Amino acid sequence: QVQLVESGGGLGKPGGSLRLSCAASGFTFSDYYMSWIRQAPGKGLEWVSYISSSGSTVYHADSVKGRFTISRDNAKNSLYLQMNSLRPEDTAFYYCARASSFSGGNYLDYWGQGDLVIVSS
Amino acid sequence: QPVLTQPPSASASLGASVTLTCTLSSGYNNYKVDWYQQRPGKGPRFVMRVGTGGIVGSKGDGIPDRFSVLGSGLNRYLTIKNIQEEDESDFYCGADHGSGSNFVWVFGGGTKLTVL
Repeated sequence: QVQLVESGGGLGKPGGSLRLSCAASGFTFSDYYMSWIRQAPGKGLEWVSYISSSGSTVYHADSVKGRFTISRDNAKNSLYLQMNSLRPEDTAFYYCARASSFSGGNYLDYWGQGDLVIVSS
Repeated sequence: QPVLTQPPSASASLGASVTLTCTLSSGYNNYKVDWYQQRPGKGPRFVMRVGTGGIVGSKGDGIPDRFSVLGSGLNRYLTIKNIQEEDESDFYCGADHGSGSNFVWVFGGGTKLTVL
């Protein structure tokens, strides 16, 4: 079955860096676009980043553009999120999700359990 | 880009039915929307995709037949029949929007469903 497992979260300092990883299994990772979505504690979902199956095309939300970078290693079935210049408002659970396409649109059909990032001095 | 609006809360008694609404901003009548369920302490899971013609594609893994969708105008609905305790969750609608070299994925604020 499809499994997505995030890791690398924890406590980061303002201005500091963290790197999240997502290990994928149960499907052909290199066939799918992938995404990161975050959720501040007690708040709603916020899309962060999106990457094509080959990794050649990436998109980032305006709130993280220039600070966060999404990437992938298809040989390792892994998705990454490099987070630099961290801010307290980046504190959230970070979910990786698989994106599928149907009828001209995309949807997030499998999600991980999430990893908590806390940005505090 | 579209804006998705959801009422913050809804409630229904055990065994009853409830309809949750997601409203698209003006001009996005043809957009499809995805519903996601998030149980307390868990990651979200895909429920199903809905357009003006109803369900698009298939339901997510393990989504029971009690869940159904409809779409009309700017509204996209998720109906749950014979509500069970396990249905108490936050429900989010979402949609992707690509325009030229730009891309965003937007979500509604979520509706917290309480089972009475």
